[in-house]
This record gives sequence, structure tokens and C-alpha cells, in this order.
Amino acid sequence: QKEVEQDPGPLSVPEGAIVSLNCTYSNSAFQYFMWYRQYSRKGPELLMYTYSSGNKEDGRFTAQVDKSSKYISLFIRDSQPSDSATYLCAMGGGSARQLTFGSGTQLTVLP
Amino acid sequence: EAGVAQSPRYKIIEKRQSVAFWCNPISGHATLYWYQQILGQGPKLLIQFQNNGVVDDSQLPKDRFSAERLKGVDSTLKIQPAKLEDSAVYLCASSFSGLVDQPQHFGDGTRLSIL
Repeated sequence: QKEVEQDPGPLSVPEGAIVSLNCTYSNSAFQYFMWYRQYSRKGPELLMYTYSSGNKEDGRFTAQVDKSSKYISLFIRDSQPSDSATYLCAMGGGSARQLTFGSGTQLTVLP
Repeated sequence: EAGVAQSPRYKIIEKRQSVAFWCNPISGHATLYWYQQILGQGPKLLIQFQNNGVVDDSQLPKDRFSAERLKGVDSTLKIQPAKLEDSAVYLCASSFSGLVDQPQHFGDGTRLSIL
């Protein structure tokens, strides 16, 4: 079993849809949870960062962490074609001094 | 603020040849990371430097991969000899302090193809 599992997609939605991206993990020591966005042929860029459990909102993006279920989500409201990218979850903390990345979900938002 | 610079952007070599990648991190960032990203997978950490010392190289295939960060700024990653399974994007990232909760800033990577 991988330490971080992420549905690879691809996921295709119409413009304006609400998108839900998810990751599950097995290491209960993880405390820091991040979402990176990676455009084609570009490096990942940090989108959202959450410490421990709870929600965090930034514009059209909301990150949720449920540590009891070892499950994290990223919601994108009013999705735009410019949101088309691969979304990577990443997590670390506790005894894990480095980030562990999920395999990424490829999202396409159709105009 | 200038981002993380990497070169070359693309490299094609034959198996058993050698190749080197270069990275210039964000000014003032003490920590530098090299990741390998195979198509369809997330980045996998190869090596982490704190200034010019190695913090973690547990996943670096040391029989063929080497990395250095002279003077605690620029870094090079070398593969010698290359194998077919080394085809991947090699990403360099930097962060201010290296703590796991610090944002990592990535370059656009070097795309390596092994023939």
C-alpha cells in the first residue's frame, strides 16, 4: 500500500462546475497537508497549505483535512479553463521530515 | 523575486551515457531539493541539501547518481551511467529553512529521455 493514494483521473468537467479532488494516506503522524498545482511542462506550485485538521478557504479554493479518516480534499468552485492542470497532494510532519507526494490528478475544465 | 532556475530544459541521451543537470535556487534559500518525477507519478525526493551539507539522500541511487552543492548556492545532479528507467523530469526546489511546513518553490525541471 502506498503511503499516499490519489485518484489519477483524468477528470473532465464543464466550466463553472464544482471540482472535488481527494487523497487518502496511511501515516497518522502527518500534520502538514498541501496541494500543489502543476501545469503541463512546468514545475509544481503551492496552492493551499493546511496544518492538522479543518478547513481553509482561499478564493475559489477550499482545502479540507479529516485526520480521523486520513482523508484530504481540495474543492474548486466555479472552475475555469485556466484551472486545467495536474493537482498533487503532499503531506509531511511528525517523524516524516520530507514531503510525500500523491501521484496527481489530471483535471481538464472545458469551456 | 527570481524563481528557481534549471538547465537544460530537455536532454536526450543514450543508455550508459552520462548527463548533468544544474539548479540555481531562490536567493537566500538555505535548502535545496532534487526530485525525480516519472510520467504519471508525483515527485520523489532524491536528495536534500541544507546549505552545502546533505540532509537526506536515502532515495538517491548512489551507484549512478551524485549531487553536490558547492558554496551552498548552485547545485548539480549527475547520472553516470544512465539507464532506461532514469527517463523522467528532474525537478529542483528550494525553501527558506527546510522545515517540512515551509513552502517549496520548484523550477520547471529538466526532461530527460534515455534512448
